[in-house]
Amino acid sequence: DTAVSQTPKYLVTQMGNDKSIKCEQNLGHDTMYWYKQDSKKFLKIMFSYNNKELIINETVPNRFSPKSPDKAHLNLHINSLELGDSAVYFCASSHGRAAYEQYFGPGTRLTVT
Amino acid sequence: AQSVTQPDIHITVSEGASLELRCNYSYGATPYLFWYVQSPGQGLQLLLKYFSGDTLVQGIKGFEAEFKRSQSSFNLRKPSVHWSDAAEYFCAVAPNRDDKIIFGKGTRLHILP
Repeated sequence: DTAVSQTPKYLVTQMGNDKSIKCEQNLGHDTMYWYKQDSKKFLKIMFSYNNKELIINETVPNRFSPKSPDKAHLNLHINSLELGDSAVYFCASSHGRAAYEQYFGPGTRLTVT
Repeated sequence: AQSVTQPDIHITVSEGASLELRCNYSYGATPYLFWYVQSPGQGLQLLLKYFSGDTLVQGIKGFEAEFKRSQSSFNLRKPSVHWSDAAEYFCAVAPNRDDKIIFGKGTRLHILP
């Protein structure tokens, strides 16, 4: 049973397109996150939702819009994709906020051409 | 601003040798401290965490870490590495329980047969 799953695993698209990445967790957690890992492996938080409420919103272009339809799902929609958006995007979840163990999904490798 | 420094970008050790990965943080109080491991093509997995109490914490896969307040360090150790330990290791800090986790830039561990 996959704890945190993401779809798709790979995403190749052209500049200017709009795309979505989906995340689901079956751990019963109430907090979910999106992270971006760049080509140098630097990992930075983008968003966090607790009980469907946005609690962390880092300095991210407003082309990125997270949506949490329920506690088990957190999707990431990206408008007008740019070359610099190419990265691996990780979803994670935890029971409670930052200090609790975060479980990471396998990542979505986004390549913008 | 809080920061996490992992001074070594790459470390190479022979299988069976001991390992120490360095991590320093910049924060006035005692933060919440974590070590995560990322195997190639995978998401991150929590190895261990420190919140308070005994400054030597044991984690999974035979890893341990020691919190040293005077040195603002939280170094990860393993007495004898296995080839399967080859991965990227991330030190992380959260200033308090409800804050976001800040990741270091990672240390890539290579294992020689």
